[in-house]
Amino acid sequence: DAGITQSPRHKVTETGTPVTLRCHQTENHRYMYWYRQDPGHGLRLIHYSYGVKDTDKGEVSDGYSVSRSKTEDFLLTLESATSSQTSVYFCAIGTDMNTEAFFGQGTRLTVV
Amino acid sequence: AQSVTQPDIHITVSEGASLELRCNYSYGATPYLFWYVQSPGQGLQLLLKYFSGDTLVQGIKGFEAEFKRSQSSFNLRKPSVHWSDAAEYFCAVGLFSGGYNKLIFGAGTRLAVHP
Repeated sequence: DAGITQSPRHKVTETGTPVTLRCHQTENHRYMYWYRQDPGHGLRLIHYSYGVKDTDKGEVSDGYSVSRSKTEDFLLTLESATSSQTSVYFCAIGTDMNTEAFFGQGTRLTVV
Repeated sequence: AQSVTQPDIHITVSEGASLELRCNYSYGATPYLFWYVQSPGQGLQLLLKYFSGDTLVQGIKGFEAEFKRSQSSFNLRKPSVHWSDAAEYFCAVGLFSGGYNKLIFGAGTRLAVHP
């Protein structure tokens, strides 16, 4: 894999609690993305970043926020987790040259 | 709106048989096109990509894909499937939208291989 690390890899949390997932890259790529993967839906874009402090919403952004204070880190926060946010979350990185993306190993989040 | 359609949710083939996975996209211009593969419990690995030029592209693991502009399709093929090809396959469209790059995925096709 490209130098992408997601943490934690697995998490179980209770409904209503805040949760933060971290994506760390060592490639100095400009773009970073958060996707969620659910059966029958493929990967859906939650938020993405095109630079430090520059972020925008994807197609399923409700209930999620992100922050990017450094090039290498992109945080995804669920302010108040709900059962519908149980999913596998993938971070990806990309460059300016084209839209190819490189993926992390994923974080399995279960909200009970 | 831009979209990616993979019409087949599940496909089962016998080992050694040929394979074709379908992908159609909806986009105003010719986008960048990708196929990714995901083995169980793993992240996504890029199989191949099309940016421009020759419409038949070769990828890793013996896969190829053909871009057909008239059909807005980018179908993935392999002449002889191996048991290790059992996985989920995702077609993706790379867009330059709103001034920034995005990657939009289809729902995926799960491939099973019978011995």
